[in-house]
Amino acid sequence: SQQGEEDPQALSIQEGENATMNCSYKTSINNLQWYRQNSGRGLVHLILIRSNEREKHSGRLRVTLDTSKKSSSLLITASRAADTASYFCATDGNQGGKLIFGQGTELSVKP
Amino acid sequence: GAGVSQSPRYKVAKRGQDVALRCDPISGHVSLFWYQQALGQGPEFLTYFQNEAQLDKSGLPSDRFFAERPEGSVSTLKIQRTQQEDSAVYLCASSLYTSGGYEQYFGPGTRLTVT
Repeated sequence: SQQGEEDPQALSIQEGENATMNCSYKTSINNLQWYRQNSGRGLVHLILIRSNEREKHSGRLRVTLDTSKKSSSLLITASRAADTASYFCATDGNQGGKLIFGQGTELSVKP
Repeated sequence: GAGVSQSPRYKVAKRGQDVALRCDPISGHVSLFWYQQALGQGPEFLTYFQNEAQLDKSGLPSDRFFAERPEGSVSTLKIQRTQQEDSAVYLCASSLYTSGGYEQYFGPGTRLTVT
């Protein structure tokens, strides 16, 4: 079963705009990861944030984590057409290495 | 360097046939995971290996699903007597570490269609 939900399910923006995706989860976690999946391809790891961190940056990506609300957000700044993909959050909770994924946000960036 | 590879990339099986899906993880990666991804959904965990030991198979949906990693490298996911509900993309991932909190490297997946 899925760990949580992502919001929105689909997002369409123009190139250059910022995109924000949200993820909620149900159980306590050790860390949370974000992955990107291009159409018909495997998942690529974007960023990992640990439960004792509140914010993390990587290039044009900014991730926040609020463990009290059991939620995380992924911000992509100055989006490009190449950012078009599905984005998934994944948690591992206290269940070893396996990842529990959300249902994903489908992002479309129009040139 | 080489990433995780999976074969075949596409498999069409008639209902009731057995299928075998192969995963070649990144060399030296201790942990190997199998996930199932239905259309429009996020991946769902099936099973986990640490070297050749299958430590968690809680996600396998039925006893028709069987996975092995006999020498601690290549893994095979076998589905017996396939059913239409088995149609999905099967993803393999590997990780250098044995605990959570580290990124997993995913293969391109095998798309299984059961007719």
